[in-house]
Amino acid sequence: SQTIHQWPATLVQPVGSPLSLECTVEGTSNPNLYWYRQAAGRGLQLLFYSIGIDQISSEVPQNLSASRPQDRQFILSSKKLLLSDSGFYLCASMIPGERNGYTFGSGTRLTVV
Amino acid sequence: RKEVEQDPGPFNVPEGATVAFNCTYSNSASQSFFWYRQDCRKEPKLLMSVYSSGNEDGRFTAQLNRASQYISLLIRDSKLSDSATYLCVVSPYSGGGADGLTFGKGTHLIIQP
Repeated sequence: SQTIHQWPATLVQPVGSPLSLECTVEGTSNPNLYWYRQAAGRGLQLLFYSIGIDQISSEVPQNLSASRPQDRQFILSSKKLLLSDSGFYLCASMIPGERNGYTFGSGTRLTVV
Repeated sequence: RKEVEQDPGPFNVPEGATVAFNCTYSNSASQSFFWYRQDCRKEPKLLMSVYSSGNEDGRFTAQLNRASQYISLLIRDSKLSDSATYLCVVSPYSGGGADGLTFGKGTHLIIQP
C-alpha cells in the first residue's frame, strides 16, 4: 500500500514570504498526485494535479505553483504569500486504474500572518 | 448548481442510535463514489467505496441511487468514536481519473454519550 509523507505539519509565515511544501510517495510508481486546500469551514478545493513528471495541471488561478521533479515528489510553492493562502494543504495520491480513491498525506496547516 | 451537496449538520445523535445521511451529485455520468471520514484537523481517510449494488462494512452501509443521483451512508449502533465529518466523494471515472475526485463539504456528526 502507498504512504504519503507531507511536511511540515504546521507553518506560520508572514505575508509576502515564499512557500515550499513537499510531498513524497512510497509504495507505488507513477501515481496521479494532487494538491488540495481546505479553508476553515469549507470543502476541499483542488489546486493542482499531475499525471507524471513535469506534467502539472492547474485548477484555479492563484499565486501558487506546483512542480513534480521526480515521479514520487510533488512540491507546492509560492513566491509571495497572501493572507488568503491560509488553510490546510493536503497532498493526495491515486493509482491510475484503481477504484480505491485517494490516499492523503497528513497535511500542512498554513497560517499567513 | 453545486456538484456534490451534503447537509452540513451538525447531526447530534445519542450513542447507540442509528444515523443516516445523504449526498446528491449533479453529474449523471459519475462512475465512482466514496465516503471519506475526516477527524478534526486531520486528513480525510477512505471509509468505504460505494458500489451500485450497495455495500456493507460492519456497522456502516452505503447505498447508491443512480436514478435520483444520491448516495447514502447509514451508521448503526453509533459509537462515540464515530464523531467526525463525513465527506461524500464522486468521480466521473470508473478508476483513477486524472483530474481527481469531487468532494462535498461534509456532514458533521457528533455522537453524544
